[in-house]
Amino acid sequence: EVQLVESGGGLVKPGGSLRLSCAASGFTFSSYSMNWVRQAPGKGLEWVSSISSSSSYIYYADSVKGRFTISRDNAKNSLYLQMNSLRAEDTAVYYCARDPTAMAGGEIDYWGQGTLVTVSS
Amino acid sequence: QLVLTQSPSASASLGASVKLTCTLSSGHSSYAIAWHQQQPEKGPRYLMKLNSDGSHSKGDGIPDRFSGSSSGAERYLTISSLQSEDEADYYCQTWGTGIQGVFGGGTKLTVL
Repeated sequence: EVQLVESGGGLVKPGGSLRLSCAASGFTFSSYSMNWVRQAPGKGLEWVSSISSSSSYIYYADSVKGRFTISRDNAKNSLYLQMNSLRAEDTAVYYCARDPTAMAGGEIDYWGQGTLVTVSS
Repeated sequence: QLVLTQSPSASASLGASVKLTCTLSSGHSSYAIAWHQQQPEKGPRYLMKLNSDGSHSKGDGIPDRFSGSSSGAERYLTISSLQSEDEADYYCQTWGTGIQGVFGGGTKLTVL
């Protein structure tokens, strides 16, 4: 059974940093691209970032480019999102999501349960 | 620019059928999409991938009551024999080189 478990969310002040993690199990993690998607309170889904299976291809939404960094450790079956210079508008539930391909096109076939990030003073 | 358009809301009666629509912007009618369901206070759940020719592949454990179809730039999700647990937000999503992860605004389905 595919499982994606996010962690690392919490309350952070504007301008601060946070690192999210996603632990994957139930599939060969190193063969799949991965995504981060977020959802602000009461709003729709917003794609944040994608990384290919070997980390060769990485993409970001314009709203986070230069502030967020996606990475993965295939030996640990883990996906990460380093978030710096956080703003109030980054407040959201952040979901880890699997891409059924290796090429980071942004397709999604499995979701995690999400972790809440709140940016507030 | 690739945009996915969904009606904000829909409603149908318990046991009836409902057809939700996702419209691809001009020039993008060949794109496949995915449908995702988000029940209240839960994370999203992948329902299916829907191709431009109407062929579709469903996610694990998705009931036969959920089906997809396509016509031109329109992508449809049909839910038959509506149950109370089908009350949820439904998002369409597409992807591709240079346009990773585009979501529609979502349709809130109310089961009466």
